[in-house]
Order: sequence, then C-alpha cells, then structure tokens
Amino acid sequence: EPEVTQTPSHQVTQMGQEVILRCVPISNHLYFYWYRQILGQKVEFLVSFYNNEISEKSEIFDDQFSVERPDGSNFTLKIRSTKLEDSAMYFCASMATGPLGEQYFGPGTRLTVT
Amino acid sequence: DAKTTQPNSMESNEEEPVHLPCNHSTISGTDYIHWYRQLPSQGPEYVIHGLTSNVNNRMASLAIAEDRKSSTLILHRATLRDAAVYYCILPTGNQFYFGTGTSLTVIP
Repeated sequence: EPEVTQTPSHQVTQMGQEVILRCVPISNHLYFYWYRQILGQKVEFLVSFYNNEISEKSEIFDDQFSVERPDGSNFTLKIRSTKLEDSAMYFCASMATGPLGEQYFGPGTRLTVT
Repeated sequence: DAKTTQPNSMESNEEEPVHLPCNHSTISGTDYIHWYRQLPSQGPEYVIHGLTSNVNNRMASLAIAEDRKSSTLILHRATLRDAAVYYCILPTGNQFYFGTGTSLTVIP
C-alpha cells in the first residue's frame, strides 16, 4: 500500500539554524500539506500546497517558513532560523483529489531545537 | 477556527459499539464533515467523511443528523487498537483544523 514518507525521523538543531524537513507524498497525489504538533497539544495546520503554489496558510506559517516541491517527488518544509518554540512533530500529508478527499499522513519528523 | 465541539474523553468496553458525538451547529450547506484519528505516537489517520447522508466504510459509520448540526462516528465493535484521539473536522477551503478531539479509552 502506498504511503507518505518523511525524513529524518528526528532532527536536532541549534536555535537560529536553518532546517529542511523532507516528505515524499504518495505518487500522483496533487494536494500537499504540512502540520505540526507540539508535545501534548493539538495538531495544527500550517500550509497547503497545490499546483506548485501555496493555496492556504495559517497564522503560524510566517516568513520563517517556506515550502517547496523541488522535483516531482519531494515536498519540503524549511524553517529559516529556528526558535525553541519550533520544537514539535511535523507531519506531512498528501491527498489525491480534493480539497475534500482523504488525507494520508506521514509518520512525522520530530524537531528538537536546543 | 474551532467549529466543532467534542467531549474530551470517552470509554468503551472492548467488542462493544462506540458512539462518538460531534456538534457543529454553525455548519454551512457545503461543509463536509471529516473524521480522523490519531493513535499514540503516530500521525493522524483518515477515518471517514460525509456531507448529508450516512456513510459506511470498513473502519466505521458516520451518522449525520437531519439538520446537519451534529454527527456521530460509530465504531461497531471497539478493539484495543481503536484507542486513539478522534477528531471531527469541518474543512474550510483547503484548511483542516484539528480541535482537541475525543480521547477514546478501550477497556479490555
């Protein structure tokens, strides 16, 4: 069964450093998403991406964040200058058709900012 | 962004049916109702979605009230693997906002 994969599973970085979280969505899916979940808190929507551009973003997704689909398979989330409060699980999701279909989530990347 | 209301927690005995309620009194005519769940230490997982009619799939059933102001996710026979946080979501455009959900405990 096809699945969304994310790398790395755990990333440790120092405050102020740039990080890139990588996702490989399910092949032939058209809609892509990033979410984050701070430990013990709810899943928070960050951004949705369709047709090579951002379609929606939340207030959390400020200028420190950017997304890219550099080739036909990867979908990345970049945080330019990490803060302690960026420590969280980051989940990537993809959807075949939509925007009201079924989202498939990856296993997440745990980001720890020290 | 919180357009849904769910109980914080529920318990069920193993192999019994579970009815998880969700109130969405401000739902509009075009809002779909989605349910996802998150097992411990995993990413969210799609469960089911619907618009007006009741829906069934291999995981669960979704019963939607006639006025669409509430819905109920039905797990027909709870197993220990169903212990998770269940989220009722009304997507806005291409945005999916997860609330705090209902934490389901399944008692052996």
